[in-house]
Amino acid sequence: GAGVSQTPSNKVTEKGKYVELRCDPISGHTALYWYRQSLGQGPEFLIYFQGTGAADDSGLPNDRFFAVRPEGSVSTLKIQRTERGDSAVYLCASSPTRTTREQYFGPGTRLTVT
Amino acid sequence: AQRVTQPEKLLSVFKGAPVELKCNYSYSGSPELFWYVQYSRQRLQLLLRHISRESIKGFTADLNKGETSFHLKKPFAQEEDSAMYYCALAIQGAQKLVFGQGTRLTINP
Repeated sequence: GAGVSQTPSNKVTEKGKYVELRCDPISGHTALYWYRQSLGQGPEFLIYFQGTGAADDSGLPNDRFFAVRPEGSVSTLKIQRTERGDSAVYLCASSPTRTTREQYFGPGTRLTVT
Repeated sequence: AQRVTQPEKLLSVFKGAPVELKCNYSYSGSPELFWYVQYSRQRLQLLLRHISRESIKGFTADLNKGETSFHLKKPFAQEEDSAMYYCALAIQGAQKLVFGQGTRLTINP
């Protein structure tokens, strides 16, 4: 079946603008994760959803970042008042259950804030 | 705080030579460790996990709790092993993974 998909693959925006990044997990996967990967670094955890609820949002850097998963499938990461430091690849991953440690990653969205 | 360290950003070896990618971790709980790999123009994917004690594509990794290490090894490198490798730690009671900075492995012909 299809893997995790993310749209757009690339997003260029101006400083101060609002952006939304979408993640479509593998069908039937209940756990969904967002990570951010800055240049030369490993992925850094942002938020984890189990079903519709955000079970752990401890990695969100500040209140400009917000994520939703209203129907327990697709998730949207929202960034308000973007800053140049937000430029990174945003990765989404999903797992079949919350106890499954293997995470299946999407291709990422490359966000560039000019 | 939990931390994963991959001391080598770049590693270059010749085809057929042994390869070892180092990973050290800092964690007070019971560690669960993984190696993820990203081949050129592909997405990040799981290579192996320590609880499985398996060999994937000729790679093995042994958890050494005394040295807090989880080094990835392969006795004879192949050109198709060239990729970015990330060591990751799963936190007990949480679902997140903590990743190292990654090592770019290049296998020279």
